[in-house]
Amino acid sequence: GESVGLHLPTLSVQEGDNSIINCAYSNSASDYFIWYKQESGKGPQFIIDIRSNMDKRQGQRVTVLLNKTVKHLSLQIAATQPGDSAVYFCAENMGGSYIPTFGRGTSLIVHP
Amino acid sequence: KAGVTQTPRYLIKTRGQQVTLSCSPISGHRSVSWYQQTPGQGLQFLFEYFSETQRNKGNFPGRFSGRQFSNSRSEMNVSTLELGDSALYLCASSLEGPSFGGTQYFGPGTRLLVL
Repeated sequence: GESVGLHLPTLSVQEGDNSIINCAYSNSASDYFIWYKQESGKGPQFIIDIRSNMDKRQGQRVTVLLNKTVKHLSLQIAATQPGDSAVYFCAENMGGSYIPTFGRGTSLIVHP
Repeated sequence: KAGVTQTPRYLIKTRGQQVTLSCSPISGHRSVSWYQQTPGQGLQFLFEYFSETQRNKGNFPGRFSGRQFSNSRSEMNVSTLELGDSALYLCASSLEGPSFGGTQYFGPGTRLLVL
């Protein structure tokens, strides 16, 4: 498949474990954050988002935590499955004409 | 509902040539954004079009341009290709655009190789 990034941080987990992927964002004025999943050969896929007035948001098997004090975002995946293997990256955004900024990504490898 | 489609999927060009990539957004989406993805720089925003107008622009040279048609389909053009333009070019569509918190739906990308 196509490589979406070389020398990315890699997280290896066993199937069924919980995974935590971290992201440090750059702009303290960012007010909207998104996690994407990108599988080999595909475009990024929206997973979950969170606004700056929240510190936690839950979806199906995923939870995003936002710590504005240290400009840190994390994605928790419960009961990780082999199909979760992909590159995950965060994006920060600010309203108006601000240009979205994406993190470099973390490669998640799930072993059966 | 059909997803975002991009054509062509793969392209090989030589330095100095120009290239045009096409993106068809999800029906009803008026915002189309273009991104360049490389191993070294990651995913970088090129520009966004909304209702045929360029609304946002990233930090890329003028060789990179785009346009949007009345049916929301978009094209991007790169003139005088350089080796460093080799990348995966992604298109994303949304109802309102990336700057307004709208969910973006990405296409599969066009892989461009410049020799």
